[in-house]
This record gives sequence, C-alpha cells and structure tokens, in this order.
Amino acid sequence: LAKTTQPISMDSYEGQEVNITCSHNNIATNDYITWYQQFPSQGPRFIIQGYKTKVTNEVASLFIPADRKSSTLSLPRVSLSDTAVYYCLVGDGGYNTDKLIFGTGTRLQVFP
Amino acid sequence: ETGVTQSPTHLIKTRGQQVTLRCSSQSGHNTVSWYQQALGQGPQFIFQYYREEENGRGNFPPRFSGLQFPNYSSELNVNALELDDSALYLCASSLGAGGVYGYTFGSGTRLTVV
Repeated sequence: LAKTTQPISMDSYEGQEVNITCSHNNIATNDYITWYQQFPSQGPRFIIQGYKTKVTNEVASLFIPADRKSSTLSLPRVSLSDTAVYYCLVGDGGYNTDKLIFGTGTRLQVFP
Repeated sequence: ETGVTQSPTHLIKTRGQQVTLRCSSQSGHNTVSWYQQALGQGPQFIFQYYREEENGRGNFPPRFSGLQFPNYSSELNVNALELDDSALYLCASSLGAGGVYGYTFGSGTRLTVV
C-alpha cells in the first residue's frame, strides 16, 4: 500500500489560496490520488481525485507532477468554513487490493 | 439520490456488552466499508463488504464482525466491548470495491464504552 505523508497542520486567513502537499513516493502505476475533507463529528467528504497532471472541480484543484510522487491540493480563496482536516489517499481501486487507508491528515485552520 | 445513513448517531454501552451498528448505503452503491476513528486520529479500516461477502479486513480482532444484506445495507457488530472501542464508527459506500469513483461516508455513530 502506498503510504502518504502530509503536514500535520496549516494556518491561513480568509481569502487566501491554500496549498496542501502530499508525498507518496512509492505510488504504483495504477494508483489514483484522492483527497477527502472532514469536519468534526462528520464522515470524510470526497473532494477531488486525479491520476496525473491537473484536475479541477468547483471546490478545488489537484496538481500532480509527472513523476506522481507527490500531489498538491489547492483551495482557492478559503473561508472560515474550510477549516477542517484534509486527507490524501492513494489506491488503485482494484477489487482485491487497496482499501482506503487514511493517515493523520492535515488540520487546516482558517482565521478571519 | 440519498446518501449514506447510519444509526444510531450516539450510543453508550458498558464494557463487556455487545453492540450492533447499522448503515444504509447510497443508492446504486454495492460496496460498504467500515472505519473506526479515535479522537484526533484518521479513520482506521475495519473491513469491507462487496456483494454480501467480506472483501478485505484491517487489523481488528474477530470480535469485530459484519454483514451485508441483499439491498447492500450493512451491520457492524462488536462483541465483548472494551473501553478502547470508544470511537466514531464510520460507514462508507462506493460503487466497486476500491472506491475509484470516491467513497461516500455517513456521519458516523459515536460509541462510548464505560
């Protein structure tokens, strides 16, 4: 299973762009990179998923360099409601292989 | 389209008792995974059910068991409860076992063992 490493915590202010980087040095060829957001006492919520280059949706962007050994979740113009824990996961979605393995995540605190 | 529903939302049990937690998967999803999340930690994988059969298990003892029903809903059973079993228990459903299309999580059941 590909292991991920993220910063434990980050601070930001409202309106700023936040970039959270995740390292996954032993990512396999078939692995996808997925990010989840979790608020206290709630289940994680799927944010974005990608395989290579750049993926963008209405919430965030995901940048994946050519070697795929890291990825960066970019949150544009954060607000107080973006204060949460963000998890980076890798897995290939195969039937008999990886299940979602969560690390400790990155705790993002957004200040006014 | 309904999301994942878990019941009950909160539960208090005494050490040594047994507990059953329930999960209704999102419409169209055929796979259910269960996670245990202790305070301040990331969710830990317990096991997954795909089309009513266990499809992978994390590092949890046999007193953690589960079922998946034909409508893809699921139960998590924990026997001989211990104080360390106090946690948020999360259920996630997906289309397919690996969650390539993303997992949908419920809000969890907060279990307190006293």
